[in-house]
Amino acid sequence: NAGVTQTPKFRILKIGQSMTLQCTQDMNHNYMYWYRQDPGMGLKLIYYSVGAGITDKGEVPNGYNVSRSTTEDFPLRLELAAPSQTSVYFCASQGNYNSPLHFGNGTRLTVT
Amino acid sequence: GQQLNQSPQSMFIQEGEDVSMNCTSSSIFNTWLWYKQDPGEGPVLLIALYKAGELTSNGRLTAQFGITRKDSFLNISASIPSDVGIYFCAGQLTLDMRFGAGTRLTVKP
Repeated sequence: NAGVTQTPKFRILKIGQSMTLQCTQDMNHNYMYWYRQDPGMGLKLIYYSVGAGITDKGEVPNGYNVSRSTTEDFPLRLELAAPSQTSVYFCASQGNYNSPLHFGNGTRLTVT
Repeated sequence: GQQLNQSPQSMFIQEGEDVSMNCTSSSIFNTWLWYKQDPGEGPVLLIALYKAGELTSNGRLTAQFGITRKDSFLNISASIPSDVGIYFCAGQLTLDMRFGAGTRLTVKP
């Protein structure tokens, strides 16, 4: 059972470039989340989704977009990368409200 | 907002010592969770707490959900080298789960 899979593991972007961080889960979870983790900080919620076709902003959504066309996939899009978006990005899924989150292994993004 | 204050920020202990860390918030939560993160990996759940006052153990780990619903602590007994990592508390009231800044634990053999 793969759980939550994120790709790529690492990426370096130039300022102004765009990219999509992929996230897929095989647990049939309804809830999916994108977090960013900056050094010495906890995880900050970017966007979340309660099911296919439904997405909502989290604590730090500016500069990002998401879509949820299927239950399994929840890609995160950066349209115009900025140095402030240098971070480690974690995708997570959750089976039911209040059940534990299952995390992917993260994507380390550097914007220079 | 639902900010979590986690302390201490870091701990350096000898193998065999006990460890205690805690999280407090000005907001109440329905769920408190404790995660551990190893380098290059995502956080992994250690203990989940769903009820105010609940005390739960998982091997050498013990965690409690504060009676006010605004705090939680995690204890690790008889630490071993593989306990090294960053420990995060998390509180959830709605779908927006909030995380503490983490406690970085170093265990000296």
